[in-house]
Order: sequence, then C-alpha cells, then structure tokens
Amino acid sequence: EVQLVQSGAEVKKPGESLRISCKGSGYSFSSYWVAWVRQMPGKGLEWLGIIYPADSDTKYSPVFQGQVTISADKSITTAYLQWSSLKASDTAIYYCARPRHNDLVTGFAYWGQGTVVTVSS
Amino acid sequence: DIQMTQSPSSLSASVGDSVTITCQASQDIKYYLNWYQQKPGKAPKLLISDASDLETGVPSRFSGSRSGTIFSFTISSLQPEDIATYYCQHYDNLPPTVTFGGGTKVEIK
Repeated sequence: EVQLVQSGAEVKKPGESLRISCKGSGYSFSSYWVAWVRQMPGKGLEWLGIIYPADSDTKYSPVFQGQVTISADKSITTAYLQWSSLKASDTAIYYCARPRHNDLVTGFAYWGQGTVVTVSS
Repeated sequence: DIQMTQSPSSLSASVGDSVTITCQASQDIKYYLNWYQQKPGKAPKLLISDASDLETGVPSRFSGSRSGTIFSFTISSLQPEDIATYYCQHYDNLPPTVTFGGGTKVEIK
C-alpha cells in the first residue's frame, strides 16, 4: 500500500527555521516525483515545488523560489520542506503528494495527511 | 506562465441537480488537466485525470470534458456527500510544473 506519512504539527516564532518531512512507503520512492502543496487558512491549494528523489532534480513555483527549500533523502525514503526564516504568512497546512505514474508529473493520486505549521510571536 | 481560471468560486444546488464547474487555461494545455475533491480537514482526492479519465472507485456521476482551453467538471446528480471544494489542476513535464485553479465550493441548497 502506497503511503505518505508527514511529520507532526509545528508551532514556531517568526524568524525561526523549520524542516518538515514526508516519508514514502509501499513503492519505489526514488522513481516518483514528490510535490509540496500549501493551503493557507480558508484558502485554496498552491503548488510550492517538486522533487525527483532519484537525482534530487527540483523545480520550484516562481512564487516560492527562494522562499523554501525542497530536498529528499532516498536512503530513508523521505522528502523535506524547509524554511530558514519563518514568517507569520507561512502559517498553513502543507501537503506532500505523489503522482500516479512513475517518472512523470501527472495527477496526484497519493497525498500525505498534511502538516499544520503555525508561525506566531 | 499558464493561468487557470476556475468558476464559479462557489455554488449552491439541490440534491439531484446537475452542477458544472469550469476551468479555462490561458493557453493550450492539451488534456493536461486533473480535478480534485477536498472535504474539510482532509487532503485532496484525485477524481478525474487527463481531462476526462475517471479514477478507479470514483462514482460515475462525476465526469470531465474538454473543449479547447475550457475544461468542464460535472456532477450529474448532486448527493449530500459531494459537499466539498473542487479544484482543477494543470500539469506539465517540460519542465515539471503544476498550477491549481482557485477552487469551487459546492453546497447543498
């Protein structure tokens, strides 16, 4: 069974750093892109970027380029999303997601449960 | 960059009604368009891929179609369990890119 299990909720202060994780299991982790998606409170879905774990090829949305860093460690089948200096506007639910087909970005058939990030002084 | 304009942003309909949501792409995106359902507090669920392919296990009252750069998503007979927000999503592989529409909140009248 394909599973994406994300790390738990985080409460941080502005200016702090943070890394959240998404562990894949039940499939060949290296062969499927992993995307990160943001959902701010009461708002829609926004794509942050995507990584191919086999070679760490990473593409960012122009909106989020330079704001976050996406990485992956294929040895422990885990993808990461990190911030070096959080802002209150980073408060959101963050989802990781995997496409149905390997090697391609298509429909995201598998999703993590979401990680709630709260940034408040 | 390709823009996806989804409409309406919300709608209210009665049980049994047919409802249609549209997404218009700012340029030709072929059939590279998916539809998701998101219920409160849950992750999105893929319902339709590549404009019109129903995912396994998704009820047949859900359907999708394409006419040029305009994509339509239809619920043929709205059920109480269909209350959710629906999103379109464009994807491309050269380079890998994903764009979501703004979402449509569907409510029961």
